[in-house]
Amino acid sequence: GEEVAQTPKHLVRGEGQKAKLYCAPIKGHSYVFWYQQVLKNEFKFLISFQNENVFDETGMPKERFSAKCLPNSPCSLEIQATKLEDSAVYFCASSQSTANTEAFFGQGTRLTVV
Amino acid sequence: QQQVKQSPQSLIVQKGGISIINCAYENTAFDYFPWYQQFPGKGPALLIAIRPDVSEKKEGRFTISFNKSAKQFSLHIMDSQPGDSATYFCAASNPNDYKLSFGAGTTVTVRA
Repeated sequence: GEEVAQTPKHLVRGEGQKAKLYCAPIKGHSYVFWYQQVLKNEFKFLISFQNENVFDETGMPKERFSAKCLPNSPCSLEIQATKLEDSAVYFCASSQSTANTEAFFGQGTRLTVV
Repeated sequence: QQQVKQSPQSLIVQKGGISIINCAYENTAFDYFPWYQQFPGKGPALLIAIRPDVSEKKEGRFTISFNKSAKQFSLHIMDSQPGDSATYFCAASNPNDYKLSFGAGTTVTVRA
């Protein structure tokens, strides 16, 4: 597609429950990035993929967060045993294969942990 | 710690006025500097971007000024319109990992 598609738009989970977010990057884009936006403004990088391979996972809280980008499937970000502080908007972005080019963002998934 | 510092946190401008947002960075490996516009409930949308080999880039009413020696760059919104009311983020990335380091954002309100 011509836009980054994220689902669901909203997700509510009780503390301790699992949350799974999906992202379909723009067709032909090789890089996928996940960011967490908290308190309306601050963006935190989580993980990036080059095709189905993890490119950079330095931002991932590895004990509860995991992510995948499998061929012919949307990318996913999964949070096991959610905590209140995981409440945020999670954005996925994709960019083309050439180095350091513009990243296009999806509309985000708002996760609320209650 | 935040790698890109952005100011001001918010600004109010009259319709037709100029909005100026400033950003500063420390990491000299950064080589790509985009500005994003975000409306409430939406994802960031790329407005304009610059690389360090130019000092200014203009697209319509939006201009980026870049000062490599000072490690600063700024966004100027000319002839500000009410539809420009949004949060603006500067960002920077390097050619090693491509991930964006964002500023803290500036909420711009344009009064009619």
